[in-house]
Amino acid sequence: EVQLLESGGGLVQPGGSLRLSCAASGFTFSSYAMTWVRQAPGKGLEWVSVTSGNGRRTDYADSVKGRFTISRDNSQNTLFLQMNSLRAEDTAIYYCAKNTAYVGSQDVWGQGTTVTVSS
Amino acid sequence: EIVLTQSPGTLSLSPGERATLSCRASQSVSSSYLAWYQQKPGQAPRLLIYGASSRATGIPDRFSGSGSGTDFTLTISRLEPEDLAVYYCQQYGSSWTFGQGTKVEIK
Repeated sequence: EVQLLESGGGLVQPGGSLRLSCAASGFTFSSYAMTWVRQAPGKGLEWVSVTSGNGRRTDYADSVKGRFTISRDNSQNTLFLQMNSLRAEDTAIYYCAKNTAYVGSQDVWGQGTTVTVSS
Repeated sequence: EIVLTQSPGTLSLSPGERATLSCRASQSVSSSYLAWYQQKPGQAPRLLIYGASSRATGIPDRFSGSGSGTDFTLTISRLEPEDLAVYYCQQYGSSWTFGQGTKVEIK
């Protein structure tokens, strides 16, 4: 069964840092681009970042560029999102998702991990 | 950035009725790189349609997608109670952006 399991969320103060993880299983992880999408409380979906299967190509939403870094460890089937200089508006549920292709939709989603930025 | 505008904001229909959801893009979506997702309360999103009209694996055939260029439609031919959800369109031809969502309520 294809599964994605996020972890690492929590409460952090403005200006702080947090690293999210997403453990993948049930598919050849290194063959697929992976994406982070977030959802602020009561709001819609916002695309955050994507990385290619080998991790060499990445893209970011303007709202997180320069503050967030996406990476992956294909030997551990794990995707990461390093979040620095966090702001209140980064408060959201963060979902990792498997892409159908680098330029593609997301066909498998995790259940999400909650990040709260507050003093 | 391509902005996607979904309408209506909320759709309230009875079981068995046909639901038509619209997604309009601020500029043409290349190669019909348009997807639809369903998000039920308290759950993660689920891919329904990709490439504007291709159903994802395991999606019932009462869900269908159509359109090209700037105008796209998701149709649920016969609404069922479990279709209660928010539906999002997404374009992935020029970076990735989501519409604001259409909430489908069951009368």
